[in-house]
Amino acid sequence: QMQLVQSGAEVKKPGSSVKVSCKASGGTFSNSGISWVRQAPGQGLEWMGGVIPIFVTANYAQKFQGRVTITADRSTSTAYMELSSLKSEDTAVYYCARYRGGSYNYWFDPWGQGTLVTVSS
Amino acid sequence: EIVMTQSPATLSVSPGERATLSCRASQTVNSHLAWYQQKPGQAPRLLIYGVSTRATGIPARFSGSGSGTEFTLTISSLQSEDFAVYYCQQYNDWPPINFGQGTRLEIK
Repeated sequence: QMQLVQSGAEVKKPGSSVKVSCKASGGTFSNSGISWVRQAPGQGLEWMGGVIPIFVTANYAQKFQGRVTITADRSTSTAYMELSSLKSEDTAVYYCARYRGGSYNYWFDPWGQGTLVTVSS
Repeated sequence: EIVMTQSPATLSVSPGERATLSCRASQTVNSHLAWYQQKPGQAPRLLIYGVSTRATGIPARFSGSGSGTEFTLTISSLQSEDFAVYYCQQYNDWPPINFGQGTRLEIK
């Protein structure tokens, strides 16, 4: 059974970047897709994008296009999400989650424990 | 973009009773609908995918139904550990993969 463990909380200044990691153990990471979902304080879930091995490039929500980069290092079973030009509105808990399913239809299971990113001057 | 709308925003139910949560899609998602449970301070947990298939380890009191644009999550006899926020998610047409805004299930 795959488990996802994320890096620790971050505090960042507006305009800077943050890179969050998500390390998989168990399961088969080499053919697994990883997605990133964020949750602002007291708010719902917002899909940011993800990487799926059968796709050539990562897929991103239009809202984050140009600001987010999602990658996966298959040699270390680790996925990364880097968000640049941070604003206070980016303060949120960021979750990684494995894509499940196939044939372009995916849900998320399991999820990492979440990483709190706080953007404050 | 498919918009997911959940109702009600908050549902108050007594332990042992049945809870019915609704999720509506702005256009058909066929059978590509999942449900998640989230407790305070925890990550979401997959409950159901493909409208009605329970994820591994999910109790039988959780059931999903519906098709097209209207979906329901039913919890047949509420246990104390079931009080949480529930989200639906469509994965029929993406990007983006959209979630509903959530239904908070609270103790009456």
